[in-house]
Amino acid sequence: NAGVTQTPKFRVLKTGQSMTLLCAQDMNHEYMYWYRQDPGMGLRLIHYSVGEGTTAKGEVPDGYNVSRLKKQNFLLGLESAAPSQTSVYFCASSYEDRGRWIRAGELFFGEGSRLTVL
Amino acid sequence: AQTVTQSQPEMSVQEAETVTLSCTYDTSENNYYLFWYKQPPSRQMILVIRQEAYKQQNATENRFSVNFQKAAKSFSLKISDSQLGDTAMYFCAFMGDSGNTPLVFGKGTRLSVIA
Repeated sequence: NAGVTQTPKFRVLKTGQSMTLLCAQDMNHEYMYWYRQDPGMGLRLIHYSVGEGTTAKGEVPDGYNVSRLKKQNFLLGLESAAPSQTSVYFCASSYEDRGRWIRAGELFFGEGSRLTVL
Repeated sequence: AQTVTQSQPEMSVQEAETVTLSCTYDTSENNYYLFWYKQPPSRQMILVIRQEAYKQQNATENRFSVNFQKAAKSFSLKISDSQLGDTAMYFCAFMGDSGNTPLVFGKGTRLSVIA
């Protein structure tokens, strides 16, 4: 099983360049998330989606945009990259059925994408 | 907003010994879920254990167990018979019951198991 796949795994950008990180999941999960991980900061939520066509802001949304045009894909875009966006980015998905509390909260993560902005 | 605090940035333990990682959280919700995730050097995030706040019994998964103190808003992880493969970053996480609240993570504790 592929699970959650992120592309690319590594990328180096110059300040002001744009790029898109792609997250794809094959588990038919409703919920998808983008986190960034920085040393000493843990994982901070950038944006998330509770279903196809929906997105919501997380803790640190500034400088990022997202789209969820298809249920299996969640795209994270940087329109004008800044050095402060140098980080490791994680995509995750989850099956949520809060009425039945099935596997509530278990996130399935991708392997991460290391982005460096010079 | 919910917050999760892990007060121990780094810890170490001898192989086969027991170690406890601390986590406290702040919330006004009565129903919620708590989690411990492990991130080994491979960077992959792995769910270790989950606790439902409405359950009084502490969750256990093989060598991993939690001490959930709801009134104190404390959720510590105990690792028994530590193994070299337990070396990793450990993240405590909280998910509320209301609306579409996503998972909120603590800053992590780096655990080193020493042979």
